[in-house]
Amino acid sequence: EAEVAQSPRYKITEKSQAVAFWCDPISGHATLYWYRQILGQGPELLVQFQDESVVDDSQLPKDRFSAERLKGVDSTLKIQPAELGDSAMYLCASSKDTGSGYTFGSGTRLTVV
Amino acid sequence: EDQVTQSPEALRLQEGESSSLNCSYTVSGLRGLFWYRQDPGKGPEFLFTLYSAGEEKEKERLKATLTKKESFLHITAPKPEDSATYLCAVRRRDDYKLSFGAGTTVTVRA
Repeated sequence: EAEVAQSPRYKITEKSQAVAFWCDPISGHATLYWYRQILGQGPELLVQFQDESVVDDSQLPKDRFSAERLKGVDSTLKIQPAELGDSAMYLCASSKDTGSGYTFGSGTRLTVV
Repeated sequence: EDQVTQSPEALRLQEGESSSLNCSYTVSGLRGLFWYRQDPGKGPEFLFTLYSAGEEKEKERLKATLTKKESFLHITAPKPEDSATYLCAVRRRDDYKLSFGAGTTVTVRA
């Protein structure tokens, strides 16, 4: 069964350091999403790509977060500098079309100390 | 703004004790309502999509139903392996993104 690949699975970083997460969506899925899930809450959308273009980044804290999907396949989410409040699970998901449910990856658990 | 409220926050069940989870939503122009299962430390796993009031879908011991204001996830004769957090999400007709509720954490004791 096709999967969304994410790495690393876990990341511990110090406050003010830079951190990056990688996502490889299911082959053929044009739409890619980055969500953030704080413990005890539901996921919240950070950024959505259609191919290599950003469709929605209205909830992305652009002073410290950036996301790219240069060739319309895999994607990188970066935080610089990291803050204590950024500790969360960062989830990547992809979908084939608007009528389908997303397929999520296993996520990256970020702890900022 | 879309609102999704799930209740209860947590549910403890004895094995075989059937129950229901509630998802109340407010959205302009519902495209679909989604149910996901999430195990600790993992990403959400897709369960169902419901598109219109009156629709029902089943998978093993789970059955999801939809009205114009809420959705229910019924768990029939649950087993310990059904223990997880169940997330509800909605998608508007004019948007791709999902808006999630906070989830219901279900614990099934043997």
